[in-house]
Amino acid sequence: AQSVSQHNHHVILSEAASLELGCNYSYGGTVNLFWYVQYPGQHLQLLLKYFSGDPLVKGIKGFEAEFIKSKFSFNLRKPSVQWSDTAEYFCAVNARTSYGKLTFGQGTILTVHP
Amino acid sequence: DVKVTQSSRYLVKRTGEKVFLECVQDMDHENMFWYRQDPGLGLRLIYFSYDVKMKEKGDIPEGYSVSREKKERFSLILESASTNQTSMYLCASSTKGTIYFGEGSWLTVV
Repeated sequence: AQSVSQHNHHVILSEAASLELGCNYSYGGTVNLFWYVQYPGQHLQLLLKYFSGDPLVKGIKGFEAEFIKSKFSFNLRKPSVQWSDTAEYFCAVNARTSYGKLTFGQGTILTVHP
Repeated sequence: DVKVTQSSRYLVKRTGEKVFLECVQDMDHENMFWYRQDPGLGLRLIYFSYDVKMKEKGDIPEGYSVSREKKERFSLILESASTNQTSMYLCASSTKGTIYFGEGSWLTVV
């Protein structure tokens, strides 16, 4: 069975600070990797995804993530956060043969102070 | 755009009641899912379905059942609601490895 671990439960930053949220997964086979975001009171939205190819993936709203296969990691980054990035962020993984069902990490709450 | 619609955003039910949560998707996706979301636990898979009338248990199926009589509709059933089933329930559908989520149903069991 696969599992996903997010390193931080709650991250607090000031605007313009750089962001890196850690995500590690455990699974022996080939996986697809995702980051989702949930803004307060809203539904989950896909930030970015990695299926294959260039391990540096760019998503919406200036976010990017890097897949490091040797470390089983898929960390999310943004060079300069804004107040509007305040949200909960979820890392998720699915096995290529799993009908698309996702295993999620516990989530990281990001609070950005103006 | 893919649309996954959950019939109720907010429900309050009594302990022991039978509860139905309905979900409809409009993109002819084969796969559909029910997750619950709890603070500090992320999203956990309850059940999923990969075709009409086909279903498989996820990580936390106890106390739940599902029904998929038509491709576009996937229902989650709480046979006898309990207070520990108070949660946010998310329906999703997928194609080509990408999952699309509905807005969620907040269920409170009192």
